[in-house]
Amino acid sequence: QLQLQESGPGLVKPSGTLSLTCAVSGGSISSSDSYWGWIRLPPGKGLEWIGTVSYSGDTYYNPSLNGRVTMSVDTSKNQFSLTLYFVTAADTSVYYCSRRRRIGAGLYGIDVWGQGTTVTVSS
Amino acid sequence: AIQMTQSPSSLSASVGDRVTLTCRASQDIRSDLGWYQQKPGKAPKFLIFAASSLHGGVPSRFSGSGSGTDFTLTISSLQPEDFATYYCLQDYSYPLTFGPGTKVDIK
Repeated sequence: QLQLQESGPGLVKPSGTLSLTCAVSGGSISSSDSYWGWIRLPPGKGLEWIGTVSYSGDTYYNPSLNGRVTMSVDTSKNQFSLTLYFVTAADTSVYYCSRRRRIGAGLYGIDVWGQGTTVTVSS
Repeated sequence: AIQMTQSPSSLSASVGDRVTLTCRASQDIRSDLGWYQQKPGKAPKFLIFAASSLHGGVPSRFSGSGSGTDFTLTISSLQPEDFATYYCLQDYSYPLTFGPGTKVDIK
């Protein structure tokens, strides 16, 4: 069964760069019915979709992040990554990697989630 | 971006109660809506896709309905493990957007 595991620094300085990686196990990142993404949960707030990347590298980002985000896929390592630039305290969150799967024609669901990793932005 | 709202923001209920949560989209999203359950310190769990289709392994006490802009999630008989926060998510168009969540706690 497919599993996802986030990794990366738990502390990032303000104006710095947040970089996280998600390792995919139990399945291939190159599956044509899968889209890989990141979602975060700021403390005391609700879930926020950050963006999605396909195995072929097509990306979709949340415009609320004002162009500070990039995502990529490394098929050789079966993993994908998130980079968020110029971070502030508002970027402090639990970050989840996820799989959005095409369940049927035009039907989707985020059916697999990583356990989440806490990232704090502080000097 | 499509805005999602949920009501109520929180509710208190007892084991065995029937509870109905509401989600509204700022524009027509057909039936492109999912529901997710999240417990403190845990990753969200996928419950329902396409507004009314139960994801595999989800208990049948959960059901979803609606289309267009108005949607509901119903738990027919609340169980102890159902106390959590529930989010709706529109996947009609990018950017995907979540509702702010409804927290269900014990009365």
